[in-house]
Amino acid sequence: EDKVVQSPLSLVVHEGDTVTLNCSYEVTNFRSLLWYKQEKKAPTFLFMLTSSGIEKKSGRLSSILDKKELFSILNITATQTGDSAIYLCAPAKEAQKLVFGQGTRLTINP
Amino acid sequence: KAGVTQTPRYLIKTRGQQVTLSCSPISGHRSVSWYQQTPGQGLQFLFEYFSETQRNKGNFPGRFSGRQFSNSRSEMNVSTLELGDSALYLCASSLSLWGDTQYFGPGTRLTVL
Repeated sequence: EDKVVQSPLSLVVHEGDTVTLNCSYEVTNFRSLLWYKQEKKAPTFLFMLTSSGIEKKSGRLSSILDKKELFSILNITATQTGDSAIYLCAPAKEAQKLVFGQGTRLTINP
Repeated sequence: KAGVTQTPRYLIKTRGQQVTLSCSPISGHRSVSWYQQTPGQGLQFLFEYFSETQRNKGNFPGRFSGRQFSNSRSEMNVSTLELGDSALYLCASSLSLWGDTQYFGPGTRLTVL
């Protein structure tokens, strides 16, 4: 059975801190891994990772995938209150089926 | 380019009724996937459609069904509603069937009383 575990489940930090969110997975027919940010609405796309060891960056956010060890991390530097959200990790299987983790709830305090 | 749109945004039904939700993908996107999100189970895959054909299905009972039209718009239907069907139903679209990013719509919040 497919399994996606995100850690920590919840994280509270101060503005300006750097955070690392973890995602480990065991899915059959793995094709890629996606990260989404969800506030009080639909998930918004952050990254899609297909190759091991290649870091993807977007502003203060970056992510990397390790297909051998079956995990990915999402880093956020110089956090801001607007980064408060649930971050979802989702390996993509055959076709476009995403298997979501339970998410990490990140709270940034001013 | 307009994003994924879903209608209605909110819906209240009673047990035993049926409901139809609609999703219009981003222009040019041909793949539409549906997900159910609940506090207890998180986001779970329902099914995916491409070129009017269901390509993939999650582990949901047969009360959950869907279809896709020639313009890529999709509908999902839930018959004989149960209290446990209360959830946020999200639709996501992508360009094709393989290896493309999925973009989510705002969702339909279904409450079953």
